[in-house]
Amino acid sequence: DAGITQSPRYKITETGRQVTLMCHQTWSHSYMFWYRQDLGHGLRLIYYSAAADITDKGEVPDGYVVSRSKTENFPLTLESATRSQTSVYFCASSGTGQGSDQPQHFGDGTRLSIL
Amino acid sequence: ELKVEQNPLFLSMQEGKNYTIYCNYSTTSDRLYWYRQDPGKSLESLFVLLSNGAVKQEGRLMASLDTKARLSTLHITAAVHDLSATYFCAVDTRFGNEKLTFGTGTRLTIIP
Repeated sequence: DAGITQSPRYKITETGRQVTLMCHQTWSHSYMFWYRQDLGHGLRLIYYSAAADITDKGEVPDGYVVSRSKTENFPLTLESATRSQTSVYFCASSGTGQGSDQPQHFGDGTRLSIL
Repeated sequence: ELKVEQNPLFLSMQEGKNYTIYCNYSTTSDRLYWYRQDPGKSLESLFVLLSNGAVKQEGRLMASLDTKARLSTLHITAAVHDLSATYFCAVDTRFGNEKLTFGTGTRLTIIP
């Protein structure tokens, strides 16, 4: 089915572990984004990508790594998880550039707990 | 740095009443988005507002944009329980990279 899918939906891990959150979209959208959602902060941008092999930092990039070798995939890696990274993570994508009237489309989210 | 503020943060209202959620932003932008989020769910796009004076309506919801005042409103008419959700506005940074800055959200509860 067309759309944007995130995996896993739920993840529990321990501090210091590496964990990768996956995001896959079938629209061939150019832009992809990772956000984290925490109470009182709304959604904050972690990283984004304008195209394959082009990524850039958002508002809260520390402790995270991204890659985009293929247009459809945009994994987010926590190299050494900390409790402050416990959050709900959303991946989003959008199709076109400046002047577009298309909104970002969001995945269902990954609820990550770090013990 | 672009800042986006929504108010109120929490809103309880009775069914059948009207109310408005406000979204103020700090720097020039001419694209604003409204999203809805149900508890434990993803974000659903409601409106895309692209120019000054833009007004869009869907059912009991109407959104408007005043770029000169840097203000968008989401008006709810004759609220019904199904509209209970958290509503976010988001503003682009006008640098052509599609980045959005989100407000902290307004949690709306419709009371029968």
